Amino acid sequence: QKEVEQDPGPLSVPEGAIVSLNCTYSNSAFQYFMWYRQYSRKGPELLMYTYSSGNKEDGRFTAQVDKSSKYISLFIRDSQPSDSATYLCAMIDSWGKLQFGAGTQVVVTP
Amino acid sequence: DVKVTQSSRYLVKRTGEKVFLECVQDMDHENMFWYRQDPGLGLRLIYFSYDVKMKEKGDIPEGYSVSREKKERFSLILESASTNQTSMYLCASSSTLAGKGYNEQFFGPGTRLTVL
Repeated sequence: QKEVEQDPGPLSVPEGAIVSLNCTYSNSAFQYFMWYRQYSRKGPELLMYTYSSGNKEDGRFTAQVDKSSKYISLFIRDSQPSDSATYLCAMIDSWGKLQFGAGTQVVVTP
Repeated sequence: DVKVTQSSRYLVKRTGEKVFLECVQDMDHENMFWYRQDPGLGLRLIYFSYDVKMKEKGDIPEGYSVSREKKERFSLILESASTNQTSMYLCASSSTLAGKGYNEQFFGPGTRLTVL
């Protein structure tokens, strides 16, 4: 069983809709939680990161962490075609290494 | 801007060949990483290095080796390429800053390797 589970999608939404992405994990030692965005034929780039439980907002993006449920989410409000990408969740394990989810492909249609 | 470059975007090799993948970063980062990315599996860490001439195994080091002779350069070596090493290979780098909770990893564009 993988430590980080993420639905690979694809997730297709119309422009302007809210995109909801999530990951579950099994290792209770994870403390830092990240979301990376990866455009086609590019490397991943950090979108947001949070420490421990709670919410963090950055413009149209909101990251949520629920450590009691071992569940993290990313919401994209007012989605744009430029948001079409693969979104990867990642967490840092007790050795300081990143553990990635499989990534969810998001397609925002005009 | 942090820049991580990889020597090739696409590479086709034959089974049994020795393959070198090169990665260079220009931000004086101490840490460098090699991942492979496969559909449904996400990114998996192959090797990492936190200093020149230092290397540590990641989660899937079998069939790979690495070299870091200079701080800015980290090479991944496939001693004898096999078809199951067909994948996207991503290099990343990060700094080691005291007191910072998470040191962002900056990724290169990736090398898509096909082994025939």
